[in-house]
Order: sequence, then C-alpha cells, then structure tokens
Amino acid sequence: QSALTQPASVSGSPGQSITISCTGTSSDVGGYNFVSWYQQHPGKAPKLMIYDVSNRPSGVSNRFSGSKSGNTASLTISGLQAEDEADYYCSSYTSSNTLLFGGGTKLTVL
Amino acid sequence: EVQVVESGGGLVQPGGSLRLSCVASGFPFSAYAMNWVRQAPGNGLEWVSAISGSGGTTLYADSVKGRFTVSRDNSKNTLYLQMNSLRAEDTAVYYCAKKQANWNHNFDFWGQGTLVIVSS
Repeated sequence: QSALTQPASVSGSPGQSITISCTGTSSDVGGYNFVSWYQQHPGKAPKLMIYDVSNRPSGVSNRFSGSKSGNTASLTISGLQAEDEADYYCSSYTSSNTLLFGGGTKLTVL
Repeated sequence: EVQVVESGGGLVQPGGSLRLSCVASGFPFSAYAMNWVRQAPGNGLEWVSAISGSGGTTLYADSVKGRFTVSRDNSKNTLYLQMNSLRAEDTAVYYCAKKQANWNHNFDFWGQGTLVIVSS
C-alpha cells in the first residue's frame, strides 16, 4: 500500500494558523475514524498529538485540532509557536488490518 | 512512569539476522498490544508489525512478511523483533510503540529507537 498523501512542507508565522492535510482512500482514512497525528522533532521519537480523528491526549495543547471529511483528514495548529516547528505524520487504520502512515510534513515557523 | 527501551540494533550484512528487544515498564505490559515502527534515514515512518497483549495475534507489513517475526515474553515485560534475510532497505531506526488502547489504532508511548544498518 502507498503512504497516505501529505504536503511535503508548510510554513506559517508565529500566531498564525496552519492546516496539514492527509489524503487516503475509502479503505483507510475514509473508512474508519482511526486517524492519528504525530509530531516528531529532529532526533526524537514521535509524539501522539491527535487520535481517533479529533481527540487530544492529556497534556497536548488545545491549539492542536483534527478533523476529517471523506478520504481527507486534517491537522490544524492555531497560534503557531516556535516550538511547533517539527515534522508531522498522519496515520490511519486500514481495511487490511494494518496501519498506514503519511509521508510526513515539515512545518517551518517563520 | 511509562517507559519503553529498545536495544539490539547494529550493523549487519545483507542476508543476515538480528533480534531487537524492547523492555517496557510503568504499565501492565500483558494488557496492551505492542508495535514496531521504523524510519529509514531521512524518510518517514513505516509501520512494521503488531502483536496482541497475549501474543496470540500477530500482524506484519507486506514489506517484512515472511522475514520478520514479532514475539513477546510477558513474564519479562519484553517485546522482540526477529529480523531475518535482511536487506539494505531494512536500514532504519526501529521504534517500539505501545498501543493506547486495544480498541483503537494509535501509539501513546514510543521508545527512543534502535538503529539497524544493513550493509556489506
């Protein structure tokens, strides 16, 4: 299976909002509410930011939100901060009982 | 405090074998499915394998099926990944990840990873 499709990069200024998309198919993103988003800083392990499309784990800022429409999920970060600069990956459960990640999006805070 | 710590990575020749380990603490290990996720240098994340809490159910990505075997020893709170017939494209940092709950499909705790390099 091919990776879920994410933009390679996005950027925004401090205080602004950005949205990262994650496009799959009806066999993954569109078929299940099991989309997650992970943040990864260089040299570090991924960190869960959003699970089951729109839920935030305890301790994750409410500036992070998730949504889904059809085969495309989205991660929105509002009030951008310098510490948000990182790589972001989406993932989805699939009809093959496997997990599929997106190719990753590099967020630059200008 | 939940912790997962991987070990066992290193340099191995193509066609060789390696066994990774992941020791977990801070949660009831046998109650949670565990996964392996890898990341090739400069690349994105790739799910590799999963195992249920009891060890009775295992799943694999097509890219490793038939070559990798996941197992666990709940008496030792340890997860394993036996990797055989290794290829250059298996070169990656391998992460051990705890499933958040058995009814969903995300990972709430990750180790720091162990690097596997397949090269002659």
